[in-house]
Amino acid sequence: EPEVTQTPSHQVTQMGQEVILRCVPISNHLYFYWYRQILGQKVEFLVSFYNNEISEKSEIFDDQFSVERPDGSNFTLKIRSTKLEDSAMYFCASTKTSGGAYEQFFGPGTRLTVL
Amino acid sequence: GESVGLHLPTLSVQEGDNSIINCAYSNSASDYFIWYKQESGKGPQFIIDIRSNMDKRQGQRVTVLLNKTVKHLSLQIAATQPGDSAVYFCAENYGGSQGNLIFGKGTKLSVKP
Repeated sequence: EPEVTQTPSHQVTQMGQEVILRCVPISNHLYFYWYRQILGQKVEFLVSFYNNEISEKSEIFDDQFSVERPDGSNFTLKIRSTKLEDSAMYFCASTKTSGGAYEQFFGPGTRLTVL
Repeated sequence: GESVGLHLPTLSVQEGDNSIINCAYSNSASDYFIWYKQESGKGPQFIIDIRSNMDKRQGQRVTVLLNKTVKHLSLQIAATQPGDSAVYFCAENYGGSQGNLIFGKGTKLSVKP
């Protein structure tokens, strides 16, 4: 069964450093998402991406964040200068061709720890 | 304020009993709802979804009920098993968005053997 994969599973970084979180969505999906989950809290939407551009983003997704689809398979989230409060689980998700209200498949997440 | 929320943060049931997990939403424009299950250290796993033109949908051992009048969503799990122990999130999507989901806080379900 196809699945969303994410690397690394755990990333530890120093405050102020740049990190890139990587995702490989399901191959025939066209809509991609990043969410984050601070420990013990709910999952929060960050950004949606379609046709090589951002479709929608939340207030969390400020200028320190960027997303990219560098090739036909990868989808990345970059945090330019990490802050302590960026420590969280980051989930990538993808959905079928029509986007919108369809089942989103989530990856296993990357745990980001900012020291 | 929070658009999607859960009435109970924790729920403990006996194995074999039925479980009911509740969720309230406040956005009347929401037209799609999903229940996700999240086990420790894993990403959310799809359980069942329902569109706003329906009030009930059944899956394997799970049923989702939608009451648009009171903006309430529930997940019923029949014959709860130890493997059902997890945190359950409801999520909503409202028309016009690009599919971004608004999640509730989650209910932790513990199944006692």
